[in-house]
Amino acid sequence: AQSVTQLDSQVPVFEEAPVELRCNYSSSVSVYLFWYVQYPNQGLQLLLKYLSGSTLVKGINGFEAEFNKSQTSFHLRKPSVHISDTAEYFCAVSSHASNTGKLIFGQGTTLQVKP
Amino acid sequence: DSGVTQTPKHLITATGQRVTLRCSPRSGDLSVYWYQQSLDQGLQFLIHYYNGEERAKGNILERFSAQQFPDLHSELNLSSLELGDSALYFCASSTTTGAYEQFFGPGTRLTVL
Repeated sequence: AQSVTQLDSQVPVFEEAPVELRCNYSSSVSVYLFWYVQYPNQGLQLLLKYLSGSTLVKGINGFEAEFNKSQTSFHLRKPSVHISDTAEYFCAVSSHASNTGKLIFGQGTTLQVKP
Repeated sequence: DSGVTQTPKHLITATGQRVTLRCSPRSGDLSVYWYQQSLDQGLQFLIHYYNGEERAKGNILERFSAQQFPDLHSELNLSSLELGDSALYFCASSTTTGAYEQFFGPGTRLTVL
């Protein structure tokens, strides 16, 4: 079984500052890793994904994440945030072995960007 | 716009009632997934259908059922509703059975009074 822990429930940050949203996962098998963003009153949008290959993954809106197998982490980073980045961010995993496509989500991190 | 549509957007009903949530996947996508988002449980996988066949079940209650029709749209049926069923229900679709990329709809907010 897999599980995901997002270490911060809320992250307040000033505009144009860098930000890191932390995600750790637990799994006995290889996994795919994802970050999704949810803006108020909207569905989830995929920011980036790690399937294989380079451990540094670049996504949309200037976000990137690094897969660290030894630390079982997949932290999300952005060098300079905007007010429009204010949203809920979800880390998710899916098992390589499973052909179900089932995503297991963390509890979410609310990013609050202040002017 | 992800291309996944869900109706209705909001649904208010009473305990004991039955409702049906509808999802139309992106054009060409064969997989449909249902997720429930609630304050206490977070985002939880309910069920996955691929080309009309059930592929996987998650934490789906026996009072809930789903199906995928030949035109690939899907319906989630919730019966004998309880207050605790109030949540946001998302549908997602993908081209394959794997979780390589799932596209989420805007969700249906269910309120049980």
